[in-house]
Amino acid sequence: DTEVTQTPKHLVMGMTNKKSLKCEQHMGHRAMYWYKQKAKKPPELMFVYSYEKLSINESVPSRFSPECPNSSLLNLHLHALQPEDSALYLCASSRTEAGPQYFGPGTRLTVL
Amino acid sequence: DQQVKQNSPSLSVQEGRISILNCDYTNSMFDYFLWYKKYPAEGPTFLISISSIKDKNEDGRFTVFLNKSAKHLSLHIVPSQPGDSAVYFCAASASLVQAGTALIFGKGTTLSVSS
Repeated sequence: DTEVTQTPKHLVMGMTNKKSLKCEQHMGHRAMYWYKQKAKKPPELMFVYSYEKLSINESVPSRFSPECPNSSLLNLHLHALQPEDSALYLCASSRTEAGPQYFGPGTRLTVL
Repeated sequence: DQQVKQNSPSLSVQEGRISILNCDYTNSMFDYFLWYKKYPAEGPTFLISISSIKDKNEDGRFTVFLNKSAKHLSLHIVPSQPGDSAVYFCAASASLVQAGTALIFGKGTTLSVSS
């Protein structure tokens, strides 16, 4: 089983809203990731959690706030986003040792 | 500066023939390479990977070749099927042993397989 689930599938929010994206995996993976993908572009890394601790933050604006409540869950809290933040937000996970990252289906975010 | 390059934005192949997708990289620290397949509005699906200690890895219809001296890898799909039509991303990372390693993606190649 290599399933990573993400909710919601679609999200439309105003610039003053607060919302959260959720990601879950039950593969026992100890690293989890948030990527952002704009149309016709490759995924770009935002955050990496390793053993539930934030290990990489790719200079992401503070209006994006990640949280890893436990080894199976990863959240991305959104506040005061801009229209240019509209994108497909992808969650991924990987095992402790070398191996591929497995991606969820993504959340399509539209900021009005 | 792009560290992972897929110089062909698109590739068209007939069903049953071989598809060859190419990828070049510039960072000699990369030691793990992956290919992902992506349909529109979906997350990337892992296809196959190769570590820098190998020069070939095969899984069913998919084979990845790595030429470290040329900093080049390729994905061969044989035989190609219409369901293979998608965007293929090459990705690389600089650590084999550490969890939480960033993947650097190429821009992708759109493969179209016609029946």
